[in-house]
Amino acid sequence: GQQVMQIPQYQHVQEGEDFTTYCNSSTTLSNIQWYKQRPGGHPVFLIQLVKSGEVKKQKRLTFQFGEAKKNSSLHITATQTTDVGTYFCAGRSSNTGKLIFGQGTTLQVKP
Amino acid sequence: SAVISQKPSRDICQRGTSLTIQCQVDSQVTMMFWYRQQPGQSLTLIATANQGSEATYESGFVIDKFPISRPNLTFSTLTVSNMSPEDSSIYLCSVAGGEVEAFFGQGTRLTVV
Repeated sequence: GQQVMQIPQYQHVQEGEDFTTYCNSSTTLSNIQWYKQRPGGHPVFLIQLVKSGEVKKQKRLTFQFGEAKKNSSLHITATQTTDVGTYFCAGRSSNTGKLIFGQGTTLQVKP
Repeated sequence: SAVISQKPSRDICQRGTSLTIQCQVDSQVTMMFWYRQQPGQSLTLIATANQGSEATYESGFVIDKFPISRPNLTFSTLTVSNMSPEDSSIYLCSVAGGEVEAFFGQGTRLTVV
C-alpha cells in the first residue's frame, strides 16, 4: 500500500540552530499537509501544499513540495524552545483521497 | 475551522470491557474519521464514519472490534470492544475541511489494565 516515510525520527538541536524534516511518498500525492503535535496534545494543522514545486513560509517555517509531488520538507530557521514537538507530514493520496501520515519527527530544543 | 469536542479525554479500563468515545462537531461535516495513535507512533486511520451507512474500515480494523456510529452530520462514536492492553492508545476523531486540512479532536487517551 501507499507509504509516507519521514526522516529523521528524532532531532535534538541547540536553540538558535536550524532544523529540517523530510517526507517522501511512494506514490504521487494530490496535496501534502503538515501538522504539529505538542507533547500531550493533538495534531494541529500547520499548512497544506498543493502545487508542484510550491514553497510556503510561516515566519521561521518554510515548507516545500517537490516537483514530482512525492516529497516535501519543513525547515525551521533559528529554532526556539516553543518549537518543541512532533511534526507530521500527511499526504493525500491521488487515488483514494485518504490522508496517510508519516511517522513524525520529534524535535527537542535545548535552551 | 471546525471545533471538535471529544470525550472522554482519558480513561483507564479493565481488559475485556468496552469503551465508547464520542465526537461532536460544531458544524455539519461530510467526512469524519477515526484514528489511532499508539504510544510514540504516528496516526493510523481506523475508519471513515459515514452518515446513514456502515463505516468504511481500513485494513487491519474490523467492525466487531471498533463499531462506529454516525447518526447525523455533527456526531460520531467509536467503541473499542473487548479491550486488551494492546488497545492502549490515543484515539482521535477528525473532520475534513473540504479537501483541505483535517481538524482533530483533543483525543482520548485510553489505558487498558
